[in-house]
Amino acid sequence: DGGITQSPKYLFRKEGQNVTLSCEQNLNHDAMYWYRQDPGQGLRLIYYSQIVNDFQKGDIAEGYSVSREKKESFPLTVTSAQKNPTAFYLCASSAHRGQGSHGYTFGSGTRLTVV
Amino acid sequence: DQQVKQNSPSLSVQEGRISILNCDYTNSMFDYFLWYKKYPAEGPTFLISISSIKDKNEDGRFTVFLNKSAKHLSLHIVPSQPGDSAVYFCAASYTRGGSNYKLTFGKGTLLTVNP
Repeated sequence: DGGITQSPKYLFRKEGQNVTLSCEQNLNHDAMYWYRQDPGQGLRLIYYSQIVNDFQKGDIAEGYSVSREKKESFPLTVTSAQKNPTAFYLCASSAHRGQGSHGYTFGSGTRLTVV
Repeated sequence: DQQVKQNSPSLSVQEGRISILNCDYTNSMFDYFLWYKKYPAEGPTFLISISSIKDKNEDGRFTVFLNKSAKHLSLHIVPSQPGDSAVYFCAASYTRGGSNYKLTFGKGTLLTVNP
């Protein structure tokens, strides 16, 4: 079955450490996205990539970095510069072109807690 | 500047009654609209969508209405069931030159269906 996989589901990080969240999709989707969800804030876009080796900042990119070396993979690194990293992180993918392909497929999320 | 607005953070209805979730948008370029449903600690799942060439789309208990002149859409759930209790996100997108632009999400409405 095609889908999008995020790992790990729960992640604990000490203050001052970088941590990388994994996102892999086998849907052959061109575009991939990272969102952060906080209570009352909805889904806020961190970074997105519409094609391999290219990505753009979203609304809250500070303190985060990404790479898109392969079509299937879009890892997100939460750096020590991110002031409030504790949140629920969601990865998504979509087809960049084609009628009816506006929708995103989301992963099941990673809950990051800074201890 | 919030281009997609869900002005009701929460809604509570009785089982068997109708749930109406509302969404307003400001960007007249949007031509495709979607609703997603999200349970706690899970990724959002696609519920229903509508293209701007239509004013209504129905799928079982779920119907989405689009009023382009008012830049307003609504999701009707009839009859509401306790399992419908979740956060509902409205999202909008547009297509130019054959490419789908990234979705813009509202902040979500928490629906609680009481038995």
